[in-house]
Amino acid sequence: EVQLVESGGGLVQPGGSLRLSCAASGFTFSSYWMHWVRQAPGKGLVWVSRIKNDGSGTKYADSVKGRFTISRDNAKNTLYLQMNSLRAEDTAVYYCARVRGYNGFDPWGQGTLVTVSS
Amino acid sequence: QSALTQPPSASGSPGQSVTISCTGTSSDVGGYDYVSWYQQHPGKAPKLMIYEVSKRPSGVPDRFSGSKSDNTASLTVSGLQTEDEADYYCSSYAGSNTEVVFGGGTKLTVL
Repeated sequence: EVQLVESGGGLVQPGGSLRLSCAASGFTFSSYWMHWVRQAPGKGLVWVSRIKNDGSGTKYADSVKGRFTISRDNAKNTLYLQMNSLRAEDTAVYYCARVRGYNGFDPWGQGTLVTVSS
Repeated sequence: QSALTQPPSASGSPGQSVTISCTGTSSDVGGYDYVSWYQQHPGKAPKLMIYEVSKRPSGVPDRFSGSKSDNTASLTVSGLQTEDEADYYCSSYAGSNTEVVFGGGTKLTVL
C-alpha cells in the first residue's frame, strides 16, 4: 500500500524553527517528485514547495522562500521540510504529497499541524 | 485571495448532476493541460479525483469527470450520492516560477 506519514509538527514560538518529516512506503520513493502543501485552519489549500526525485531541483512559494528548505533522503525514503523564522501566518496543517502524472498529487499524507504562537 | 476562482458553494439532490467551475488565466489553467481536482471531507486529507484535466485515478468512480475550455476548468459529478458531500479544490500548473496554484475551494452539499 502506498503510504505517506508526516511527523514533526507542534507548537513553536514566532521566529522559531521546526523540521517536518514525511516517511514514504509502498512505492519507489526515489522515482517521484514530491511536494508540500499546507492548509490554515478553516482555509483552503496552498502549495508550499516541490523537490525533484533526485533532489536536484527545488521550488518554493514566495511566502516561504528564504525561510523554508525542502530536502529528501532517498536512502531513508523520507521527505523533509525545514521551517525557519516561523510566523503566525505559517500556522497550518502541512501535507506531503507524491506526484501523479505531471502535476496531480496522489496520495497525500494525513497531515501534521504546525502552530506558531507565543 | 486564491489564484484560481471557484464558487464557494454548490448543491444538488441525490441522483442529479452538478458542475463546479475553476477559472484562471492563460498563465495557468488556459496555458497547460495540467488541471487537477481534489475532494476533501472534514478532518481528512485531500484525495485526487481528476488529473491532467480529465484523467481519473483508479478507484475514482466514473461519475466524476473533468473538462476545460480556455481559462476555465470544470468538474462534473453525475448521479450525486450523499458521500459526495465534501469540499472540492482545483489546482493547475502555473509555470516554472509559480509552479502550482489552487482554487479557494467549493463546498458541495447533497440535499
